Amino acid sequence: NAGVTQTPKFRVLKTGQSMTLLCAQDMNHEYMYWYRQDPGMGLRLIHYSVGEGTTAKGEVPDGYNVSRLKKQNFLLGLESAAPSQTSVYFCASIYDGNTEAFFGQGTRLTVV
Amino acid sequence: KQEVTQIPAALSVPEGENLVLNCSFTDSAIYNLQWFRQDPGKGLTSLLLIQSSQREQTSGRLNASLDKSSGRSTLYIAASQPGDSATYLCAVWDGGATNKLIFGTGTLLAVQP
Repeated sequence: NAGVTQTPKFRVLKTGQSMTLLCAQDMNHEYMYWYRQDPGMGLRLIHYSVGEGTTAKGEVPDGYNVSRLKKQNFLLGLESAAPSQTSVYFCASIYDGNTEAFFGQGTRLTVV
Repeated sequence: KQEVTQIPAALSVPEGENLVLNCSFTDSAIYNLQWFRQDPGKGLTSLLLIQSSQREQTSGRLNASLDKSSGRSTLYIAASQPGDSATYLCAVWDGGATNKLIFGTGTLLAVQP
């Protein structure tokens, strides 16, 4: 049981490049979330999904897109990376409201 | 819009002390509240989950309480140890309203040997 796996773990992008971060969970969880964590600002919600085929905007969605074509995978895309998107990105998943949330180990992204 | 605040932002205590971390939220219509621990450079690990109908949860030296009406939760750590040093975050989940999981900014705890 791998839990929540994020790939890649590290990435350096040039301004304007694009990339996709993958979050995969093997626990049959319905709810999945993407966050960014910056010093002094806690975790801010980018986008989330309440089930296969659904997505919704969080608090800081601009510059990001997401897709959840399969229940186990939640993809976060940056179409044209900007230095302001330099951050650590975390994915989380929840089965339902009676269970705890599980987190991936994070992706450290630097945009130069 | 739900806002979650944690006070203090940082705390340093000598080993063996009992301590309390605070979490407050602006919208009391939550489904549950969780406390997490984050070690430097790592992901988050869930410590305790409190349902909205519960008042507290305990796990070992940790006790979390929830007062939904006042929008507050506390995490009590008994007999602190250097291994407890980490960032502690609380998060609220509003269930069927928006299904968002919203985090506070965290408390950085240092337990001095």
